Amino acid sequence: SQTIHQWPATLVQPVGSPLSLECTVEGTSNPNLYWYRQAAGRGLQLLFYSVGIGQISSEVPQNLSASRPQDRQFILSSKKLLLSDSGFYLCAWRGGGAAKNIQYFGAGTRLSVL
Amino acid sequence: GDSVTQMEGPVTLSEEAFLTINCTYTATGYPSLFWYVQYPGEGLQLLLKATKADDKGSNKGFEATYRKETTSFHLEKGSVQVSDSAVYFCALNSGGGTSYGKLTFGQGTILTVHP
Repeated sequence: SQTIHQWPATLVQPVGSPLSLECTVEGTSNPNLYWYRQAAGRGLQLLFYSVGIGQISSEVPQNLSASRPQDRQFILSSKKLLLSDSGFYLCAWRGGGAAKNIQYFGAGTRLSVL
Repeated sequence: GDSVTQMEGPVTLSEEAFLTINCTYTATGYPSLFWYVQYPGEGLQLLLKATKADDKGSNKGFEATYRKETTSFHLEKGSVQVSDSAVYFCALNSGGGTSYGKLTFGQGTILTVHP
């Protein structure tokens, strides 16, 4: 069966420091991958998606970037964090076939920028 | 563009009460509709889905019917439990010819169930 892993679960970083969040998927190949952010008290906002290795699309201009160095690995990065980058970051992958419209989410990373 | 509007929360109920969380949407074409649930400190889990008009999604006692005429997908449960306390998100995937399957989410509704 397929599983999705995110780490770390919690992160506290100072303003101006770099960021790297990692997401990996097991049990499937060539998945579509997504990064979402959930700000406090708000819904989910799609940040990036990827349909294949090295293919990244950005939904919202911001201080963050994403990379997909391997088929089942998706990384969210920043060179210098801002206070406004605080939030709950969720990685997701999309199923294929009959489940192609369903996205499956990781447990998330709670990021606090101080 | 696509959008999803959920009833504002938080919603507080007693155990065994009836639950309704309203969700309406705006989308091009014929979207698929979803309810996701987020338990405290966790990621999102798919609760139920419907892919075409008049479909009823159901899971764990929750139900939602895809109403194209009213562009709605209200979530209901006849008798809630304390363990149902969570944040509930309505979402849609309009497809629209794209291949990446973008989900558009509502803002989420916090449900608290008291014993």
